[in-house]
Amino acid sequence: DAGVTQSPTHLIKTRGQQVTLRCSPISGHKSVSWYQQVLGQGPQFIFQYYEKEERGRGNFPDRFSARQFPNYSSELNVNALLLGDSALYLCASSSPDRANEQFFGPGTRLTVL
Amino acid sequence: GNSVTQMEGPVTLSEEAFLTINCTYTATGYPSLFWYVQYPGEGLQLLLKATKADDKGSNKGFEATYRKETTSFHLEKGSVQVSDSAVYFCALSGYSNAGKSTFGDGTTLTVKP
Repeated sequence: DAGVTQSPTHLIKTRGQQVTLRCSPISGHKSVSWYQQVLGQGPQFIFQYYEKEERGRGNFPDRFSARQFPNYSSELNVNALLLGDSALYLCASSSPDRANEQFFGPGTRLTVL
Repeated sequence: GNSVTQMEGPVTLSEEAFLTINCTYTATGYPSLFWYVQYPGEGLQLLLKATKADDKGSNKGFEATYRKETTSFHLEKGSVQVSDSAVYFCALSGYSNAGKSTFGDGTTLTVKP
């Protein structure tokens, strides 16, 4: 089975632009979480979605938004990009019967110039 | 709120040396505890986990014991290999929901032949 996939792999944007990142969970997984990993730090929780509903939100501004689709894939959208948004954005999925175990994708590297 | 503190790195060891990476946490209730490993250019991989006090997680020669009395979850390996070189993250989550995990800042391990 394929693991968690994310697209694109790398992305370069300029300040003020908007970006959309995509994630496809492992087949059968209904929960998707998004994390931001700034260089040299651990991942920071942004959002969790389960069955298309937001189940949690981290300490991020309203410029960050997300949604989950009927096929459980997810998009993370960031508006009005700042230099500080440059980071690796990780998506993770988990299944209903093993909710305390999440599987991570390879991430999308976002660079804001 | 929840927090995780890892020993600062980087850690450099010779092959076959003993490894300890310290991790302590602050959390309400009874969190689940995790160690993840991240190889260069990749996402996070779950290394091991423990879901209740005194549980020992183990995988690929790595071990960690959930110590509630000292709020610790130290990672150990008896004999490291060059292939163990990576960044290691300690993390916690609420019971049965790893999708809102809190991570430490990571410890970089380099193993020299």
